[in-house]
Amino acid sequence: AQSVTQPDIHITVSEGASLELRCNYSYGATPYLFWYVQSPGQGLQLLLKYFSGDTLVQGIKGFEAEFKRSQSSFNLRKPSVHWSDAAEYFCAVGANNDMRFGAGTRLTVKP
Amino acid sequence: DTGVSQDPRHKITKRGQNVTFRCDPISEHNRLYWYRQTLGQGPEFLTYFQNEAQLEKSRLLSDRFSAERPKGSFSTLEIQRTEQGDSAMYLCASSARTGGGWETQYFGPGTRLLVL
Repeated sequence: AQSVTQPDIHITVSEGASLELRCNYSYGATPYLFWYVQSPGQGLQLLLKYFSGDTLVQGIKGFEAEFKRSQSSFNLRKPSVHWSDAAEYFCAVGANNDMRFGAGTRLTVKP
Repeated sequence: DTGVSQDPRHKITKRGQNVTFRCDPISEHNRLYWYRQTLGQGPEFLTYFQNEAQLEKSRLLSDRFSAERPKGSFSTLEIQRTEQGDSAMYLCASSARTGGGWETQYFGPGTRLLVL
């Protein structure tokens, strides 16, 4: 069965600094990969997704992610973080008929 | 298109009571999913519908849980004889299944349940 690991529970970055959130997946076939963001008390908003093709995908709010099959990774990046990016970020892998989420990484942005 | 909506947004109940949550998916979406999210965790799959048919249920969905989607539009999730361990955020998502492959799921704001 597919699974997702987000190694960092909590990350703190300064506003304007770059960001990379790590995601590793386990799945036997080509995965469908997603990054979602969740603000406190809210549902999940899709940031970006990878289905096939170009391994570098662009998303909303200036985020991008790179699929690396050899490393089973799908890390999320942003060149310059804004205070409004503070939230919980979830990586997910879709396969068969359900989606498996990582435990999330909480991002704190320092002024 | 107003997105996925869920009602209520918050529910506080006493242990042993029954609760029912409603989800209205994006209108043209034929698939509807229910997830449960506990504090500090990612969402966990509970069940999904394609139109009115419930096609898969997770082992997390105990006998006290039942979900319906009678006309292939909105869905309800009922929890009978609630327990404190049922306290969680219940998320609904919908997608448009058009054939093989995978489709993007769009999430509602969730219903936060607290069982006292």
